[in-house]
Amino acid sequence: DIQMTQSPPSLSASEGDRVTITCRASQSIGSYLNWYQQKPGKSPKLLIYAASHLQSGVPSRFSGSGYGTDFTLTISSLQPEDFATFYCQHSYITPYTFGQGTKLEIK
Amino acid sequence: EVQVVESGGGLVQPGGSLTLSCAASGFTFSSHWMHWVRQAPGEGLVWVSRISSDGRVTNNADSVKGRFAISRDNAKNTVFLQMSSLRAEDTAVYYCAREYGAPGHFDSWGQGTLVTVSS
Repeated sequence: DIQMTQSPPSLSASEGDRVTITCRASQSIGSYLNWYQQKPGKSPKLLIYAASHLQSGVPSRFSGSGYGTDFTLTISSLQPEDFATFYCQHSYITPYTFGQGTKLEIK
Repeated sequence: EVQVVESGGGLVQPGGSLTLSCAASGFTFSSHWMHWVRQAPGEGLVWVSRISSDGRVTNNADSVKGRFAISRDNAKNTVFLQMSSLRAEDTAVYYCAREYGAPGHFDSWGQGTLVTVSS
């Protein structure tokens, strides 16, 4: 199975900050990497698919990059509604494993 | 509007069985692979199972192989997850999700249904 490792596990930041979350795959997955945001008590929401494509309706302050084994999710200027937990997931081959999550908290 | 709605969760004893349903609407159901993802209380997301658009191909996580079975009824726009030999560690919110693209991403998720395995 392909393992997905996110860092950091948690992060404290302030409104307006630029934040980067990283995700590393245990083997090359090309661009088959997706990012989701989950708020407490809610279902996950797709943010970025195929490593760098912004899902329709998602604000442009979110961006993704990477290929192969190393990927990043960047939020250019944090807004109050962005504080949540973020997960990466690969869709290269089943099982479509998720990273362990990065909890983004208000500083 | 694309929508998926899970149902069927509840309290079940260890060793018991339960079937979850996911009703889809607002899109051509028979054109999409469908997945189940679960989340134990306070934990992260775990992929569980998937089924092809025509129902002929299924895959399961090792943790549920031989115990869970995914199926679908394209005439009723519904996907199912039959769970048997349930264990305490199967306790989780179970989400149904639509896969978009091939292979793709999960662009629509249900609200989840809670399964609690306890005596």
